[in-house]
Amino acid sequence: DAKTTQPPSMDCAEGRAANLPCNHSTISGNEYVYWYRQIHSQGPQYIIHGLKNNETNEMASLIITEDRKSSTLILPHATLRDTAVYYCIVRRLQTGANNLFFGTGTRLTVIP
Amino acid sequence: DSGVTQTPKHLITATGQRVTLRCSPRSGDLSVYWYQQSLDQGLQFLIQYYNGEERAKGNILERFSAQQFPDLHSELNLSSLELGDSALYFCASSVAGTSVDNEQFFGPGTRLTVL
Repeated sequence: DAKTTQPPSMDCAEGRAANLPCNHSTISGNEYVYWYRQIHSQGPQYIIHGLKNNETNEMASLIITEDRKSSTLILPHATLRDTAVYYCIVRRLQTGANNLFFGTGTRLTVIP
Repeated sequence: DSGVTQTPKHLITATGQRVTLRCSPRSGDLSVYWYQQSLDQGLQFLIQYYNGEERAKGNILERFSAQQFPDLHSELNLSSLELGDSALYFCASSVAGTSVDNEQFFGPGTRLTVL
């Protein structure tokens, strides 16, 4: 699976959009981009995933560049409850396995 | 609430001891995953079971073992415990084992402290 690079920390004002970048310059054509978050020692929570098209769900939007070498997770209106560590994971479909490899993530702090 | 349950929530034990962590997946999920999160190593995948069979292995020590039972619950056995085994242990489940659209649902974790 391709390696990802994320900034170690970011701040965002409450109510503003939080844009979390992820670099995955060695991504292969059959690898997906996944985002999970972990709120203070709780179990990680799935947010969104995509292959090459932009995706949106009730939690966030995922913007993937045309060359697929980077992506941005957007939380449109950050709240204090969005303070968490956000993990960008690049994963390919593997026969017989579906495990996740977490990096160090980005610690997002939403400021009142 | 993810629907994945883990027991116990906390566990304190001594070096050299053996413990068993238990996980019940979401109803209908066939895959169970175990992850370890320590301060210095971050979140690491240990092992995956799918419908009772081992499917993938990660950075799991030989002192650790797991199994998935016919009712699909899973147990992670940790033996000859060392101080460095102190960590949060998470269980996750998913519907299947190979589909890339398989979102994993994580339990609340078991915090193991080895004294």
